[in-house]
Amino acid sequence: DAGITQSPRHKVTETGTPVTLRCHQTENHRYMYWYRQDPGHGLRLIHYSYGVKDTDKGEVSDGYSVSRSKTEDFLLTLESATSSQTSVYFCAISESAAKAFFGQGTRLTVV
Amino acid sequence: DQQVKQNSPSLSVQEGRISILNCDYTNSMFDYFLWYKKYPAEGPTFLISISSIKDKNEDGRFTVFLNKSAKHLSLHIVPSQPGDSAVYFCAATTGGTSYGKLTFGQGTILTVHP
Repeated sequence: DAGITQSPRHKVTETGTPVTLRCHQTENHRYMYWYRQDPGHGLRLIHYSYGVKDTDKGEVSDGYSVSRSKTEDFLLTLESATSSQTSVYFCAISESAAKAFFGQGTRLTVV
Repeated sequence: DQQVKQNSPSLSVQEGRISILNCDYTNSMFDYFLWYKKYPAEGPTFLISISSIKDKNEDGRFTVFLNKSAKHLSLHIVPSQPGDSAVYFCAATTGGTSYGKLTFGQGTILTVHP
């Protein structure tokens, strides 16, 4: 299994508070991604990174920001959490188009 | 606009039989297709992939077929086992600098009955 660790695994937060999710990899893969999974939508790309300090927006980036100061860490921040951001968040890493490896997921509930 | 669609939300199959999961796409720029399997409370696990220059790829019990003219791919599992019960997602990418930048279908819940 690819070395990907997401933290926290579960979080409950209040509307309007900032939240940061962390993804840590030990594979030295160049590309890192944040997806969210919602019923009826599969997984949708939020933001991705193609190197340290190089990031770009995905399909559903509004309300989210990311940072990557080291190869191994990719942070996803919800600046002001809303109930629509209640979801399961997955981090993924990749070195080729052939496959991407996913973390265990973070279940976030915004109340 | 859903660029990758899995029109069957669920599929039920008897152990030992064939499971066929289907996926359609609309973006002709997609040139790499992947299938992932997901158990509850776990992350998706890569299963098998296929490049657009091929029409078939096999790995053990799993075979993926690609029909580019129809923009359709399918995953065949033969023989199906109860441990195959999971959610299956198809995904597509345009490759190049889009490595890992995947567009997913909604998923199909496969249940294999003993």
